[in-house]
Amino acid sequence: DIVMTQSPDSLAVSLGERATINCKSSQSVLYTSNMKNYLAWYQQKPGQPPKLLIYWASTRESGVPDRFSGSGSGTDFTLTISSLQAEDVAVYFCQHYYTTPRSFGQGTKVEIK
Amino acid sequence: QVQLVQSGAEVKKPGASVEVSCKASGYTFTDYYMHWVRQAPGQGLEWMGWMNPSSGGTYYAQSFQGRVTMTRDTSISTAYMELSRLTSDDTAVYFCAREATVTTSWFDPWGQGTLVTVSS
Repeated sequence: DIVMTQSPDSLAVSLGERATINCKSSQSVLYTSNMKNYLAWYQQKPGQPPKLLIYWASTRESGVPDRFSGSGSGTDFTLTISSLQAEDVAVYFCQHYYTTPRSFGQGTKVEIK
Repeated sequence: QVQLVQSGAEVKKPGASVEVSCKASGYTFTDYYMHWVRQAPGQGLEWMGWMNPSSGGTYYAQSFQGRVTMTRDTSISTAYMELSRLTSDDTAVYFCAREATVTTSWFDPWGQGTLVTVSS
């Protein structure tokens, strides 16, 4: 089974500053036949279900602000919020969909400093 | 639009079973796998398994095998997740989530979640 590990568990960033969240998988989620990384990022606000932000590790979902970006390949991935806004306060999860069982990172809580 | 609407909150006693429903609309129910994910209070996301609404085939996470059953009623585009032998550790919000494409992919959309509380 693939284990997803995020870092840090929480971070506090000033408004307008950059927030960076890391996600590491215990084995590669890059499918070499199509060169796609089977990794997604979600945002979850209190009392709400997770919301899809990024898929294929770097493709932004329609309607997601361009301050959100995903990068990485293989086993190491990053979600970057280029200029933190108040509405970005949330918990962020990475998830692989390379195999079954699926799994999520433990989550990273982003707060305003 | 594509939407998943779940049943309401439940309170159950230890040892009982609970069934959560997830009604799909805005797409062909049998074309997309349905997954179930739970979240204990203040905790992360735990994947429970998936169901193929077309065939009824299922795959359960090892930690739930023997206690979880995922079914569907295609006539009303509704998926069900039943969890038995409940303990306090099963207190959580349970989400259904559609696999976003007809091949292996991310989850989108998600249901609004159903809080299951297990308490004597």
